[in-house]
Amino acid sequence: KQEVTQIPAALSVPEGENLVLNCSFTDSAIYNLQWFRQDPGKGLTSLLLIQSSQREQTSGRLNASLDKSSGRSTLYIAASQPGDSATYLCAVSFLTGGGNKLTFGTGTQLKVEL
Amino acid sequence: IAGITQAPTSQILAAGRRMTLRCTQDMRHNAMYWYRQDLGLGLRLIHYSNTAGTTGKGEVPDGYSVSRANTDDFPLTLASAVPSQTSVYFCASSDSTSGVHTQYFGPGTRLTVL
Repeated sequence: KQEVTQIPAALSVPEGENLVLNCSFTDSAIYNLQWFRQDPGKGLTSLLLIQSSQREQTSGRLNASLDKSSGRSTLYIAASQPGDSATYLCAVSFLTGGGNKLTFGTGTQLKVEL
Repeated sequence: IAGITQAPTSQILAAGRRMTLRCTQDMRHNAMYWYRQDLGLGLRLIHYSNTAGTTGKGEVPDGYSVSRANTDDFPLTLASAVPSQTSVYFCASSDSTSGVHTQYFGPGTRLTVL
């Protein structure tokens, strides 16, 4: 079974710290990988999408990397702010799924403290 | 409207009752999806539709049905609700014709089956 794992489940950091969230997946045959943010009681907001042919994507203070051979992705958040507090979800589209069905990790709950 | 809307926002339902969750998107995306989110299990795909007139089963389809009569609407029906269907339900859409497949999510429907 294709699985996506996110460690740690929760993370607390002081404001201003740079941090890395981890995502691992069991099958390197992927179409793409997406990182989402979810605020409590809300829907998911897409942050970054990395195609299988790409190594990284950047948006503002966010940088996502992809290493298919090792089955890993990281989301780097620079100069963290209290507004970054949320749950971050990694989702993988595996090739066997037809390219558009996502398998989600269970998320990392991030708290950025003043 | 802009993006994806879901209705109702929340619902309490007696077991055995029939319920339809509504989802409408105005982005003219060809593909639509239904996920359920449960604590500790993350988001799991229930059903999907790659284009109007077609549907497919996801990871957890039992007890649910969908239809895709047009591009914009993708209702999810619980024919006879059971307590294990208590969950938060998210609808999503993507433009798979672009080759990018970024999925955009609605705000969710919180369903409680008693």
